[in-house]
Amino acid sequence: GAVVSQHPSRVICKSGTSVKIECRSLDFQATTMFWYRQFPKQSLMLMATSNEGSKATYEQGVEKDKFLINHASLTLSTLTVTSAHPEDSSFYICSARHVTGELFFGEGSRLTVL
Amino acid sequence: DAKTTQPTSMDCAEGRAANLPCNHSTISGNEYVYWYRQIHSQGPQYIIHGLKNNETNEMASLIITEDRKSSTLILPHATLRDTAVYYCIVRVGGGNQGGKLIFGQGTELSVKP
Repeated sequence: GAVVSQHPSRVICKSGTSVKIECRSLDFQATTMFWYRQFPKQSLMLMATSNEGSKATYEQGVEKDKFLINHASLTLSTLTVTSAHPEDSSFYICSARHVTGELFFGEGSRLTVL
Repeated sequence: DAKTTQPTSMDCAEGRAANLPCNHSTISGNEYVYWYRQIHSQGPQYIIHGLKNNETNEMASLIITEDRKSSTLILPHATLRDTAVYYCIVRVGGGNQGGKLIFGQGTELSVKP
């Protein structure tokens, strides 16, 4: 099946710094990608829908200035957690929509903010 | 909000069929039911999806009731590697081509020797 890759898989940063996570569709083009966040023992929570060439659509309660999303090409979307704090520590997962409509998920990126 | 409810956890004996139920009583006519699973600290893995007919693939079978208010995922011969959290999801908006997946709480399936 199609492959979606996230980088980095793990990142540790200091409080107050910004962290960028990349989501790439390796063998297909994705006009739409999705970003989720998952806390321990909880389900995935949809944060935003990322559309190539346009602004992302954020779910209710998600701060768009805190979580910057850029979808500059058909194979790459990035999520930047700005001024990260310990409560932002989480597992961030992206998915990409194939032209067939299928949704493929990345392996996730674990962020730890000290 | 998620449109599905599932039992929090289930056990299954290795080699037996695992039947995972899901309620989606508010599903709309063009909304698909999807099943994914997640093994600890990994991304979700697609299993199967359907609209109103029963579906089968190499991983599982999906049985959807005639009124579409509930469904059951069947793993015919569960193995230890099937231990995971199983999510039943109604794809919201856009049919099978568009829309988004809103995850519920899922069922933690433990397959035991």
